[in-house]
Amino acid sequence: SQTIHQWPATLVQPVGSPLSLECTVEGTSNPNLYWYRQAAGRGLQLLFYSVGIGQISSEVPQNLSASRPQDRQFILSSKKLLLSDSGFYLCAWMQGYYGYTFGSGTRLTVV
Amino acid sequence: AQSVSQHNHHVILSEAASLELGCNYSYGGTVNLFWYVQYPGQHLQLLLKYFSGDPLVKGIKGFEAEFIKSKFSFNLRKPSVQWSDTAEYFCAAYSGAGSYQLTFGKGTKLSVIP
Repeated sequence: SQTIHQWPATLVQPVGSPLSLECTVEGTSNPNLYWYRQAAGRGLQLLFYSVGIGQISSEVPQNLSASRPQDRQFILSSKKLLLSDSGFYLCAWMQGYYGYTFGSGTRLTVV
Repeated sequence: AQSVSQHNHHVILSEAASLELGCNYSYGGTVNLFWYVQYPGQHLQLLLKYFSGDPLVKGIKGFEAEFIKSKFSFNLRKPSVQWSDTAEYFCAAYSGAGSYQLTFGKGTKLSVIP
């Protein structure tokens, strides 16, 4: 079956520290993968998407980067976190007709 | 620019009341539309989607939505809400093929009072 895994579920990091959030998909090949950030009252903002290995498109200039080292792995990173990076981060993959399937999310708090 | 707007930030209803959440989009050409729901503490789930065909779409848990092309709208409805419908609802859309980037509205929080 097709599933998406995202971890960790919660993370508290100090300002200036690095970040690495991982997302993996099972049961499919060559999926379109996405990173979204959800902020209260602001809906979901698309940060990055990838249509294949090594192919990353950025939607919003920011302190974050993404990488896709393997077909079913999508990583969100930062070298130095800012307070404004706090939020709820969601990974998703496109299931064609069925739309998106979202991971369970990571609640990041930068302190 | 492509955008999705949801009219209400927070809606409060009593159980058994009828629900309609507004959603408008600004896309040219073919558009695919979705409603997602996020229950407290849970991840986003697909409620229903519209790709083509019958503009009245039925989803899970008694929800439906109507695509009105002339009004660029895709409003979500439910004739009688329950306390368990308390959640945040997101309208989303994408146009065309390729990267399938979904654009989301800002969400509507629904609180149902028993």
